[in-house]
Amino acid sequence: AQSVTQLGSHVSVSEGALVLLRCNYSSSVPPYLFWYVQYPNQGLQLLLKYTTGATLVKGINGFEAEFKKSETSFHLTKPSAHMSDAAEYFCAVSDRDKIIFGKGTRLHILP
Amino acid sequence: ETGVTQTPRHLVMGMTNKKSLKCEQHLGHNAMYWYKQSAKKPLELMFVYSLEERVENNSVPSRFSPECPNSSHLFLHLHTLQPEDSALYLCASSHGRANYNEQFFGPGTRLTVL
Repeated sequence: AQSVTQLGSHVSVSEGALVLLRCNYSSSVPPYLFWYVQYPNQGLQLLLKYTTGATLVKGINGFEAEFKKSETSFHLTKPSAHMSDAAEYFCAVSDRDKIIFGKGTRLHILP
Repeated sequence: ETGVTQTPRHLVMGMTNKKSLKCEQHLGHNAMYWYKQSAKKPLELMFVYSLEERVENNSVPSRFSPECPNSSHLFLHLHTLQPEDSALYLCASSHGRANYNEQFFGPGTRLTVL
């Protein structure tokens, strides 16, 4: 079965600094990979996804992620953090006909 | 209304009560999902409906009973719950059940079982 590991349940960065949220997956077949974001009191919203093709995927709100097969990673980055980026972020991997979510990383933005 | 809506947003119930959670999607999707979100645990997929038929039941206790009367509505009927069932219950929908399709989530129902 596929699985997802998100390193760090909490990450703090200063406003304007680089955001890096780590995600590693295990998959026996080429995976589909996703990043979702959850703002307080809301459901999850898709940030970006990788299915096939270009390994660098751009998403909404200035986020991007790179699929690295050799490292089984799909880390999420944003060059410059904004206060509005404070939220919980979930990495997910496809598993046959459903999606498996990681435990999430809560991103804190320091003024 | 647009997107996926859920009612109620908050629910407090005793262990002997019977209540229902409602989900409605206005996106024309044909697959709907119930997830349980507990603190410090990954999202747990509970049920999947595709074309109004239940296609997945992930070993969920029988005190949770889903219902999908049509492709736009999904219910979760609750009875004799336990305190450990307290969590955020999220509904989602997608266009088709394929694992590469984006799921659209509702805001959730925060359930507290006393």
